[in-house]
Amino acid sequence: AQKVTQAQTEISVVEKEDVTLDCVYETRDTTYYLFWYKQPPSGELVFLIRRNSFDEQNEISGRYSWNFQKSTSSFNFTITASQVVDSAVYFCARMTSGTYKYIFGTGTRLKVLA
Amino acid sequence: DVKVTQSSRYLVKRTGEKVFLECVQDMDHENMFWYRQDPGLGLRLIYFSYDVKMKEKGDIPEGYSVSREKKERFSLILESASTNQTSMYLCASSSHGQGRYEQYFGPGTRLTVT
Repeated sequence: AQKVTQAQTEISVVEKEDVTLDCVYETRDTTYYLFWYKQPPSGELVFLIRRNSFDEQNEISGRYSWNFQKSTSSFNFTITASQVVDSAVYFCARMTSGTYKYIFGTGTRLKVLA
Repeated sequence: DVKVTQSSRYLVKRTGEKVFLECVQDMDHENMFWYRQDPGLGLRLIYFSYDVKMKEKGDIPEGYSVSREKKERFSLILESASTNQTSMYLCASSSHGQGRYEQYFGPGTRLTVT
Protein backbone atom coordinates (compact mmCIF):
# COMPACT_ATOMS: atom_id res chain seq x y z
CA ALA A 1 0.00 0.00 0.00
CA GLN A 2 1.12 3.53 -0.64
CA LYS A 3 1.57 4.78 2.88
CA VAL A 4 1.56 8.16 4.54
CA THR A 5 4.01 8.30 7.43
CA GLN A 6 3.93 10.71 10.32
CA ALA A 7 6.88 9.51 12.31
CA GLN A 8 6.34 11.91 15.21
CA THR A 9 3.74 10.36 17.47
CA GLU A 10 3.74 13.17 20.00
CA ILE A 11 5.49 16.53 20.27
CA SER A 12 5.51 18.89 23.23
CA VAL A 13 6.61 22.51 22.92
CA VAL A 14 6.42 25.58 25.07
CA GLU A 15 4.17 28.38 23.92
CA LYS A 16 5.76 30.71 21.33
CA GLU A 17 8.15 28.07 20.07
CA ASP A 18 8.08 27.10 16.41
CA VAL A 19 7.26 23.49 15.63
CA THR A 20 7.36 21.41 12.44
CA LEU A 21 5.21 18.34 11.88
CA ASP A 22 6.62 15.90 9.35
CA CYS A 23 4.71 14.02 6.69
CA VAL A 24 6.26 11.61 4.19
CA TYR A 25 4.19 9.81 1.58
CA GLU A 26 4.64 7.00 -0.89
CA THR A 27 3.10 7.15 -4.34
CA ARG A 28 3.49 5.82 -7.86
CA ASP A 29 0.98 8.33 -9.19
CA THR A 30 1.76 11.46 -11.14
CA THR A 31 -1.37 13.28 -10.07
CA TYR A 32 -2.32 13.29 -6.42
CA TYR A 33 -3.42 15.59 -3.65
CA LEU A 34 -2.09 16.15 -0.16
CA PHE A 35 -3.99 17.44 2.84
CA TRP A 36 -3.51 18.46 6.44
CA TYR A 37 -6.25 18.25 9.05
CA LYS A 38 -6.43 19.36 12.68
CA GLN A 39 -8.36 17.36 15.27
CA PRO A 40 -8.80 19.41 18.48
CA PRO A 41 -9.93 17.75 21.73
CA SER A 42 -13.56 18.22 20.66
CA GLY A 43 -12.97 15.49 18.08
CA GLU A 44 -14.04 17.03 14.77
CA LEU A 45 -11.39 17.03 12.03
CA VAL A 46 -10.89 20.46 10.54
CA PHE A 47 -9.51 20.89 7.03
CA LEU A 48 -6.37 23.08 6.90
CA ILE A 49 -4.88 22.83 3.44
CA ARG A 50 -4.96 21.00 0.11
CA ARG A 51 -2.04 20.76 -2.31
CA ASN A 52 -1.95 19.08 -5.70
CA SER A 53 1.12 17.32 -7.03
CA PHE A 54 1.78 19.94 -9.70
CA ASP A 55 1.97 22.81 -7.27
CA GLU A 56 5.14 22.80 -5.21
CA GLN A 57 4.80 26.36 -4.04
CA ASN A 58 5.08 26.73 -0.32
CA GLU A 59 2.10 28.28 1.39
CA ILE A 60 1.75 30.52 4.37
CA SER A 61 -1.46 31.27 6.21
CA GLY A 62 -0.94 33.37 9.29
CA ARG A 63 1.22 31.36 11.71
CA TYR A 64 0.87 28.21 9.57
CA SER A 65 3.13 27.31 6.68
CA TRP A 66 3.52 24.23 4.53
CA ASN A 67 6.59 22.97 2.68
CA PHE A 68 5.90 20.55 -0.19
CA GLN A 69 8.93 18.81 -1.72
CA LYS A 70 8.25 16.17 -4.37
CA SER A 71 11.95 15.22 -4.48
CA THR A 72 11.72 13.90 -0.92
CA SER A 73 7.99 13.03 -0.99
CA SER A 74 7.37 15.26 1.97
CA PHE A 75 4.70 17.74 2.92
CA ASN A 76 5.71 19.28 6.24
CA PHE A 77 3.68 21.67 8.35
CA THR A 78 5.19 24.41 10.51
CA ILE A 79 3.46 26.40 13.20
CA THR A 80 5.26 29.60 14.10
CA ALA A 81 4.96 31.05 17.59
CA SER A 82 2.79 28.19 18.79
CA GLN A 83 -0.16 28.83 21.08
CA VAL A 84 -2.01 26.63 23.53
CA VAL A 85 -4.98 26.55 21.14
CA ASP A 86 -2.77 24.76 18.62
CA SER A 87 -2.81 21.69 20.87
CA ALA A 88 -4.45 18.97 18.80
CA VAL A 89 -3.80 15.88 16.75
CA TYR A 90 -2.71 16.71 13.22
CA PHE A 91 -3.24 14.35 10.32
CA CYS A 92 -1.63 14.31 6.92
CA ALA A 93 -3.43 12.54 4.06
CA ARG A 94 -2.93 11.71 0.40
CA MET A 95 -5.49 11.14 -2.34
CA THR A 96 -4.88 9.80 -5.83
CA SER A 97 -6.65 11.85 -8.45
CA GLY A 98 -9.98 10.33 -9.45
CA THR A 99 -10.34 8.02 -6.46
CA TYR A 100 -11.72 10.48 -3.85
CA LYS A 101 -10.37 8.21 -1.11
CA TYR A 102 -7.72 9.34 1.33
CA ILE A 103 -4.85 7.48 2.88
CA PHE A 104 -4.24 9.02 6.27
CA GLY A 105 -1.13 9.07 8.37
CA THR A 106 -1.43 7.95 11.98
CA GLY A 107 -1.36 11.52 13.25
CA THR A 108 0.93 13.63 15.43
CA ARG A 109 -0.31 14.82 18.79
CA LEU A 110 0.95 18.33 19.48
CA LYS A 111 0.92 19.65 23.04
CA VAL A 112 1.65 23.32 23.50
CA LEU A 113 2.41 24.14 27.11
CA ALA A 114 1.74 27.56 28.59
CA ASP B 1 -21.26 27.19 6.64
CA VAL B 2 -20.60 23.57 5.69
CA LYS B 3 -22.13 21.02 7.98
CA VAL B 4 -21.89 17.31 8.59
CA THR B 5 -23.92 16.01 11.49
CA GLN B 6 -23.95 12.63 13.16
CA SER B 7 -26.90 11.25 15.07
CA SER B 8 -25.13 10.64 18.39
CA ARG B 9 -21.92 11.80 20.08
CA TYR B 10 -21.87 8.86 22.46
CA LEU B 11 -23.51 5.46 22.18
CA VAL B 12 -23.38 2.38 24.39
CA LYS B 13 -24.64 -0.90 22.99
CA ARG B 14 -24.57 -4.53 24.00
CA THR B 15 -22.83 -7.33 22.14
CA GLY B 16 -25.08 -8.74 19.43
CA GLU B 17 -27.25 -5.64 19.05
CA LYS B 18 -27.87 -4.10 15.66
CA VAL B 19 -26.50 -0.56 15.62
CA PHE B 20 -27.32 2.29 13.24
CA LEU B 21 -25.09 5.34 12.91
CA GLU B 22 -26.55 8.16 10.86
CA CYS B 23 -24.77 10.93 9.02
CA VAL B 24 -26.30 13.92 7.24
CA GLN B 25 -24.57 16.58 5.16
CA ASP B 26 -26.05 19.80 3.85
CA MET B 27 -23.45 20.64 1.19
CA ASP B 28 -24.97 18.66 -1.70
CA HIS B 29 -21.79 16.55 -1.81
CA GLU B 30 -21.68 13.46 -3.98
CA ASN B 31 -19.19 11.52 -1.85
CA MET B 32 -19.70 10.31 1.68
CA PHE B 33 -17.39 8.25 3.87
CA TRP B 34 -17.38 6.29 7.10
CA TYR B 35 -14.13 5.92 9.05
CA ARG B 36 -13.19 4.47 12.35
CA GLN B 37 -10.45 6.03 14.43
CA ASP B 38 -8.42 4.02 16.92
CA PRO B 39 -5.34 5.11 18.90
CA GLY B 40 -2.14 4.52 16.99
CA LEU B 41 -3.98 3.46 13.83
CA GLY B 42 -5.20 6.80 12.54
CA LEU B 43 -8.34 6.86 10.42
CA ARG B 44 -9.32 3.76 8.50
CA LEU B 45 -11.95 3.78 5.79
CA ILE B 46 -14.87 1.42 6.33
CA TYR B 47 -17.12 2.29 3.37
CA PHE B 48 -17.41 4.96 0.76
CA SER B 49 -20.36 6.10 -1.35
CA TYR B 50 -19.91 8.20 -4.50
CA ASP B 51 -23.60 8.51 -5.35
CA VAL B 52 -27.04 7.58 -4.10
CA LYS B 53 -27.38 3.79 -3.74
CA MET B 54 -23.72 3.34 -4.73
CA LYS B 55 -21.16 2.04 -2.26
CA GLU B 56 -17.64 0.78 -2.24
CA LYS B 57 -15.76 -1.17 0.42
CA GLY B 58 -12.94 0.54 2.17
CA ASP B 59 -10.05 -1.04 4.03
CA ILE B 60 -12.00 -2.62 6.90
CA PRO B 61 -15.59 -3.39 5.80
CA GLU B 62 -15.98 -6.67 7.69
CA GLY B 63 -18.82 -6.55 10.20
CA TYR B 64 -20.31 -3.37 8.70
CA SER B 65 -22.78 -2.45 6.02
CA VAL B 66 -24.01 0.91 4.71
CA SER B 67 -27.06 2.47 3.17
CA ARG B 68 -27.43 5.59 1.05
CA GLU B 69 -31.00 6.13 -0.08
CA LYS B 70 -30.76 9.92 -0.27
CA LYS B 71 -27.88 12.11 -1.35
CA GLU B 72 -27.56 13.87 1.99
CA ARG B 73 -27.72 10.80 4.24
CA PHE B 74 -25.28 7.93 4.73
CA SER B 75 -25.90 5.26 7.35
CA LEU B 76 -23.45 2.81 8.86
CA ILE B 77 -24.90 -0.43 10.19
CA LEU B 78 -23.32 -2.86 12.59
CA GLU B 79 -25.39 -6.00 12.03
CA SER B 80 -24.30 -7.67 15.27
CA ALA B 81 -22.11 -5.43 17.39
CA SER B 82 -18.99 -6.89 18.92
CA THR B 83 -16.59 -5.52 21.52
CA ASN B 84 -13.86 -5.06 18.90
CA GLN B 85 -16.10 -2.51 17.21
CA THR B 86 -15.76 -0.18 20.17
CA SER B 87 -14.26 2.89 18.53
CA MET B 88 -14.74 6.47 17.37
CA TYR B 89 -16.72 6.60 14.12
CA LEU B 90 -16.31 9.58 11.82
CA CYS B 91 -18.43 10.50 8.85
CA ALA B 92 -17.21 12.79 6.08
CA SER B 93 -18.36 14.17 2.76
CA SER B 94 -16.66 15.67 -0.27
CA SER B 95 -17.41 17.03 -3.69
CA HIS B 96 -16.72 15.22 -6.96
CA GLY B 97 -14.59 17.74 -8.66
CA GLN B 98 -13.09 21.01 -9.75
CA GLY B 99 -10.05 20.20 -7.67
CA ARG B 100 -11.88 20.66 -4.39
CA TYR B 101 -11.41 17.21 -2.92
CA GLU B 102 -11.19 18.11 0.73
CA GLN B 103 -13.38 16.08 3.03
CA TYR B 104 -15.56 17.68 5.65
CA PHE B 105 -16.05 15.74 8.85
CA GLY B 106 -18.79 15.36 11.40
CA PRO B 107 -18.13 15.52 15.15
CA GLY B 108 -17.85 11.75 15.51
CA THR B 109 -19.72 9.07 17.42
CA ARG B 110 -17.92 7.31 20.22
CA LEU B 111 -19.39 3.82 20.32
CA THR B 112 -18.85 1.48 23.23
CA VAL B 113 -19.93 -2.14 22.88
CA THR B 114 -20.17 -4.02 26.17
